[in-house]
Amino acid sequence: DGGITQSPKYLFRKEGQNVTLSCEQNLNHDAMYWYRQDPGQGLRLIYYSQIVNDFQKGDIAEGYSVSREKKESFPLTVTSAQKNPTAFYLCASSMGTGRRRNTEAFFGQGTRLTVV
Amino acid sequence: SQQGEEDPQALSIQEGENATMNCSYKTSINNLQWYRQNSGRGLVHLILIRSNEREKHSGRLRVTLDTSKKSSSLLITASRAADTASYFCATDADRGSTLGRLYFGRGTQLTVWP
Repeated sequence: DGGITQSPKYLFRKEGQNVTLSCEQNLNHDAMYWYRQDPGQGLRLIYYSQIVNDFQKGDIAEGYSVSREKKESFPLTVTSAQKNPTAFYLCASSMGTGRRRNTEAFFGQGTRLTVV
Repeated sequence: SQQGEEDPQALSIQEGENATMNCSYKTSINNLQWYRQNSGRGLVHLILIRSNEREKHSGRLRVTLDTSKKSSSLLITASRAADTASYFCATDADRGSTLGRLYFGRGTQLTVWP
């Protein structure tokens, strides 16, 4: 089945530890995004990528890093510099570029990260 | 901010009633989208309406767009308990926007009681 897969579903992190959230899509989408969602809040954009080997900071990139070595994959690393990482993280993809930009986004099921 | 804002924040109705949610935004757009999110899950795309469209239907969903007022509404007719979820509007931006990114509001939490 075509889709976008996030793993793990739940992740626990000790303070001071880096963790990496996985996001894979087999939709042949150019664009991929990472959002953070806190209770009662909308989605805030962390990083996005329109093409392999290129990515841009979103609104709340501090304390996060990403890579886009393959079209299918866009992992997010939550570093120890992120002071309040407990949140629900959502990855999305879309066709995203040129005349096909701003089409619908497909979301993964999310990763809930908790700092213990 | 170009973020859409949904109204109301929460809506509670009985099965069979209609549910109306509104979205306002700040800048001109190419299109506006509505998404649904079940608790603890990812978002699912419901419907996209382009800036040159005024109304669009999909099953029990009806979306309107008024670009002069920079607002949209989502109507769910004959609501069911399974419609219980959060609903988000998302906008792009017409000019000067980062390619492909969407701006989400905080959502409307809809509860449909059996």
